[in-house]
Amino acid sequence: NAGVTQTPKFRVLKTGQSMTLLCAQDMNHEYMYWYRQDPGMGLRLIHYSVGEGTTAKGEVPDGYNVSRLKKQNFLLGLESAAPSQTSVYFCASSLDRASQPQHFGDGTRLSIL
Amino acid sequence: GEDVEQSLFLSVREGDSSVINCTYTDSSSTYLYWYKQEPGAGLQLLTYIFSNMDMKQDQRLTVLLNKKDKHLSLRIADTQTGDSAIYFCAETLTTDSWGKFQFGAGTQVVVTP
Repeated sequence: NAGVTQTPKFRVLKTGQSMTLLCAQDMNHEYMYWYRQDPGMGLRLIHYSVGEGTTAKGEVPDGYNVSRLKKQNFLLGLESAAPSQTSVYFCASSLDRASQPQHFGDGTRLSIL
Repeated sequence: GEDVEQSLFLSVREGDSSVINCTYTDSSSTYLYWYKQEPGAGLQLLTYIFSNMDMKQDQRLTVLLNKKDKHLSLRIADTQTGDSAIYFCAETLTTDSWGKFQFGAGTQVVVTP
């Protein structure tokens, strides 16, 4: 069972570059989320989606965009990368409500130089 | 505000019991979760408890919930070196229609021989 798969696993960018992180889930989950994890701060929600074609802002959405064109995929874009966006990014999904258990990918480690 | 608080570090000897504590703020939370994160990996759901329960046991894991004090704990019996990880407490916030997750900052558990 693949569960939640994130690509790439690692990436180094220069300030100002753009990139897209891909999240794919094979559990037919409606809800999907993007979090960032920084030392001592736990997980902070960037954006989320409650179904195909929907997106919404989380706690820290600035500098990021998302799209959910297909139910199984949730893309996170960095339009113009900044050093403050150096972090570990996690994608998660849940069946039909955010209160349901969330299943996580293994993360993408992103460094912005 | 809506904060979930955990102590940042716990050291325990192999074979002893570990107790990880968490306090939360939303008295209307429906589910409270414990996740485990091993180095370089995503968050793995360990267990969860519904708010109308006081205790839940699952093999070596015991979850205790004190709703009056908004206190949640995770006890790991016979702690092993494989239990070394970061443990996250999370509550679901029912004030939002979609039931947002709120994570604590995580407790680093180090198991020594």
